[in-house]
Order: sequence, then C-alpha cells, then structure tokens
Amino acid sequence: DVKVTQSSRYLVKRTGEKVFLECVQDMDHENMFWYRQDPGLGLRLIYFSYDVKMKEKGDIPEGYSVSREKKERFSLILESASTNQTSMYLCASSLDGGATNEKLFFGSGTQLSVL
Amino acid sequence: LAKTTQPISMDSYEGQEVNITCSHNNIATNDYITWYQQFPSQGPRFIIQGYKTKVTNEVASLFIPADRKSSTLSLPRVSLSDTAVYYCLVGDWDDKIIFGKGTRLHILP
Repeated sequence: DVKVTQSSRYLVKRTGEKVFLECVQDMDHENMFWYRQDPGLGLRLIYFSYDVKMKEKGDIPEGYSVSREKKERFSLILESASTNQTSMYLCASSLDGGATNEKLFFGSGTQLSVL
Repeated sequence: LAKTTQPISMDSYEGQEVNITCSHNNIATNDYITWYQQFPSQGPRFIIQGYKTKVTNEVASLFIPADRKSSTLSLPRVSLSDTAVYYCLVGDWDDKIIFGKGTRLHILP
C-alpha cells in the first residue's frame, strides 16, 4: 500500500511564526499535492508539484509556499502564520502525471491551530 | 475542468442500498470519474473510478450512462461505518484535482 506520511498530527503555532508542514510518500509518485480543509468548504487545493523542484499554484496559494527538493518529500511553508490559516492540512500523492486516470493517496492530515 | 454537482447530504438506514448521483454536464472526452470517501479526521480514500458503463469493486459500483453527463455511486447494504463524506471528481491528469464539498452520508441504525 502507498504510504503518505505527514510529520505532525496536531500542531499549535503563534501568529507570525514560520511554519513547516512536511509530507513524505514512499511509492516513487511523481505528483504531490497540498490541500486545506475547513468545515463547510470542502478540500481546497493550495499547491501541487508534478516533479522535483517544480510547483504549481492551486486555488488558494496566498500566504503559502512549497518546496520539493526530493521526489518523495513535499513541504508546505507558512511564511508568517495567521489565525485564518488554522485548518486541517492534507497532503496527497499520485503516481503519474501522464496518466488520464489520476488516483490520489492522502495522508492522515495535520490539524494546525494558529493562536 | 468539468464542474460537478452532488447532493449536500443524504440519510439512509443500515442494510439499504445507497445511490449518490453526481452531475457533470461539461465532462470532456479524456475525463475519468473518480469517487473518494472521507471519514472524520482522516484524509479522503479512493473508492472507485470509471470512464463509461459500469464498474464494480469490493466496495461499490459506479454507473455511468452513455452520455457521461452524470454518474451514480452505489453502496450495497450500507452499515453505520459507511457514514462519511463522498466526493465525486471529474478530470484528467492535465487538470488540477479539485474537490467539491461532497455528499455527507449519514447511516442510521
């Protein structure tokens, strides 16, 4: 089974702090994604990456950046955390950007609270 | 990217068959239809995927009519543990993978 591991299950940070959320997948997947999920809003795509050192903006990239230095690792960075970034963050990966039938594999999520 | 429309919520009883329909009027030729299931405090989990007609696996069936403008996820004989949010996605690899708000399915005893 594909394993997508997010470094923290729960995280509490203060406003203005720089926050790193780490995600690692163990199946040599090409693509990785970061979503946030808020009650009543479903999952919203923040950033995604189709290859090492490549990144694409999703629907809500403001206030976030990402890093993909190695194929298996995709980091989400909150440069200066704000209270409106309190949310559940979900990382996902998928096998091959050339396939027409993408299937996403998700981690368990990181519940981030910004105080 | 084809937009999808699905009911916000549904209730059913244990042992019943549940059908959740998703509308995707602007589906493109290359698009697949994919359904995910999400339990509270977990990431979504892939359930089933199809392109046309019918697909069945150990979890669910997916019915897709010839015009592909809608699809129906069918869960046979549901149990309380099937209470979850179900997402319908339509697209291909060239699209951003966008989730809507899903259908909140509540199974009653």
